[in-house]
Amino acid sequence: GQQLNQSPQSMFIQEGEDVSMNCTSSSIFNTWLWYKQEPGEGPVLLIALYKAGELTSNGRLTAQFGITRKDSFLNISASIPSDVGIYFCAGPLGGGADGLTFGKGTHLIIQP
Amino acid sequence: NAGVTQTPKFQVLKTGQSMTLQCAQDMNHEYMSWYRQDPGMGLRLIHYSVGAGITDQGEVPNGYNVSRSTTEDFPLRLLSAAPSQTSVYFCASSYGVGGRTEAFFGQGTRLTVV
Repeated sequence: GQQLNQSPQSMFIQEGEDVSMNCTSSSIFNTWLWYKQEPGEGPVLLIALYKAGELTSNGRLTAQFGITRKDSFLNISASIPSDVGIYFCAGPLGGGADGLTFGKGTHLIIQP
Repeated sequence: NAGVTQTPKFQVLKTGQSMTLQCAQDMNHEYMSWYRQDPGMGLRLIHYSVGAGITDQGEVPNGYNVSRSTTEDFPLRLLSAAPSQTSVYFCASSYGVGGRTEAFFGQGTRLTVV
């Protein structure tokens, strides 16, 4: 099946720093989704991207749909302790709403 | 508005036992799906449904059965549990309008098979 390669695997940063992570695929996607998961919870949708080149923000989070349609980026500005968690990129397995394929996640750890 | 509700939250099974993981959504979404999450892995699709009466296999369907008799409910059945099925299971519902799709997840069921 399609594989999403997400990097970095983990990040140890200081509070207030900016964060960047990315996701690449060998296949073209028409949708990129970014989720955050906290311990003991299900993934929560942060940002959805539907158009190549699209740049979308959600508060301090900004995500971009790569021009090649094979990658996407998520940035977090001025990190705060509640940003801790695992961030996943995801894209549709097929052409429609028939399930998602996920990257392995970026584990964000913030040091006070 | 509860969103996606999964029960139970935790379960321990013995090898060979059967059980059903429940999932219900109140958002009137057409699409529902089941995923499993193993340590260090992203979520992997088990089965999905594009509407009542219609189901299909995902990436890792072996050992699991599903059915969808109503829009709201999408139970996942383990007929004969194996230790390899120890995992956290997530149910999701989603809509697809104009080519857009966004999946919303339940809180998960942590299953241990001994």
